[in-house]
Amino acid sequence: AQSVTQLGSHVSVSEGALVLLRCNYSSSVPPYLFWYVQYPNQGLQLLLKYTSAATLVKGINGFEAEFKKSETSFHLTKPSAHMSDAAEYFCAVSDSGGSYIPTFGRGTSLIVHP
Amino acid sequence: EAQVTQNPRYLITVTGKKLTVTCSQNMNHEYMSWYRQDPGLGLRQIYYSMNVEVTDKGDVPEGYKVSRKEKRNFPLILESPSPNQTSLYFCASSFLSGNEKLFFGSGTQLSVL
Repeated sequence: AQSVTQLGSHVSVSEGALVLLRCNYSSSVPPYLFWYVQYPNQGLQLLLKYTSAATLVKGINGFEAEFKKSETSFHLTKPSAHMSDAAEYFCAVSDSGGSYIPTFGRGTSLIVHP
Repeated sequence: EAQVTQNPRYLITVTGKKLTVTCSQNMNHEYMSWYRQDPGLGLRQIYYSMNVEVTDKGDVPEGYKVSRKEKRNFPLILESPSPNQTSLYFCASSFLSGNEKLFFGSGTQLSVL
């Protein structure tokens, strides 16, 4: 069984500040991990994914995430927030054991203040 | 262009009136899935399909039906909609492998009065 916990349903930052969105997972087998972004009135789109290669994964729009096995975490960061980053962010996990049913976290709404 | 197409984009209906939300993908994906998104609850899976004629329940299947007669289509059917099914619905698809990303449709905002 697998699960995802996203700490904080809302995160508020000022434009130019560091963005940190937290994701912790549980999985009985090595996981595949994803971050998706949902802009207002749109569907979800992939931001980045971890599939057991490099532990630091770079995605679109300057976002990156680091897989830390010891902490079972996959936090999403961006050095400098932009107004256009305001969106809903979802962390998801699927397993490498052959049963492909991804599990999503509840999402974190990123609010960017001018 | 690779895409998942959902229709309609918005739908207002009344309690008990059967409706279908269509979903079609043009990427030859085996896996297709329906989610509903509600404030504070994130994405919850309704039904999914691993291939043609293979469907299974997700976390919140009550009140919904699906069918997968063709690989590209995966309609969501509400036989007798109720107000608690008012929600934002998303269809998604991918190749059947744990490290493949999901492609999402643009969503269907359903209101049941």
